[in-house]
Amino acid sequence: GAGVSQSPSNKVTEKGKDVELRCDPISGHTALYWYRQRLGQGLEFLIYFQGNSAPDKSGLPSDRFSAERTGESVSTLTIQRTQQEDSAVYLCASSLGGGFENTIYFGEGSWLTVV
Amino acid sequence: SQKIEQNSEALNIQEGKTATLTCNYTNYSPAYLQWYRQDPGRGPVFLLLIRENEKEKRKERLKVTFDTTLKQSLFHITASQPADSATYLCALISGGYQKVTFGIGTKLQVIP
Repeated sequence: GAGVSQSPSNKVTEKGKDVELRCDPISGHTALYWYRQRLGQGLEFLIYFQGNSAPDKSGLPSDRFSAERTGESVSTLTIQRTQQEDSAVYLCASSLGGGFENTIYFGEGSWLTVV
Repeated sequence: SQKIEQNSEALNIQEGKTATLTCNYTNYSPAYLQWYRQDPGRGPVFLLLIRENEKEKRKERLKVTFDTTLKQSLFHITASQPADSATYLCALISGGYQKVTFGIGTKLQVIP
């Protein structure tokens, strides 16, 4: 596609339910990132995928959070047993590769509200 | 611990003036620094990248400086316009791969 696509764009879920957020990166981009942004706050790194290398999961806040990526395409971020503190926009981004100079392109985010 | 600091208070500036935003960092040795623009409800959009061995980079009305001694980057918008109103994020890239860490951002409001 033309840009990074995320779905759903908005999700309201009850506390304790599991949610899945999907990211379709730009075709050909081997690097994929997930960030979380709480209202009025900065971007918080969650996880990074680069090609077939082991992902950098150092930003995942708890074991309720996990992410998968199929090859160099779609990624899914899963939050189990959601809590109100998980309410945020979850941003996915991709870039051509792991080089420093590759521009990172962001999607519009998935807005998650836990009630 | 590693820290990126941007002025969290909003910056209000008159149209036509130069806006200057600051990004300070500690306990980092970044190879690259990037600036992004984020509009409300949207994902960040890349603006400029500057390497550690570059002092200054320009793109149209934008100018970025990078002082690795002071551990500071300045982001300037000349002849500012109301359409420049947004939150501007700085991001540091270090390490063996492109792990990008963002500052909290500074909200710029250009007043007509």
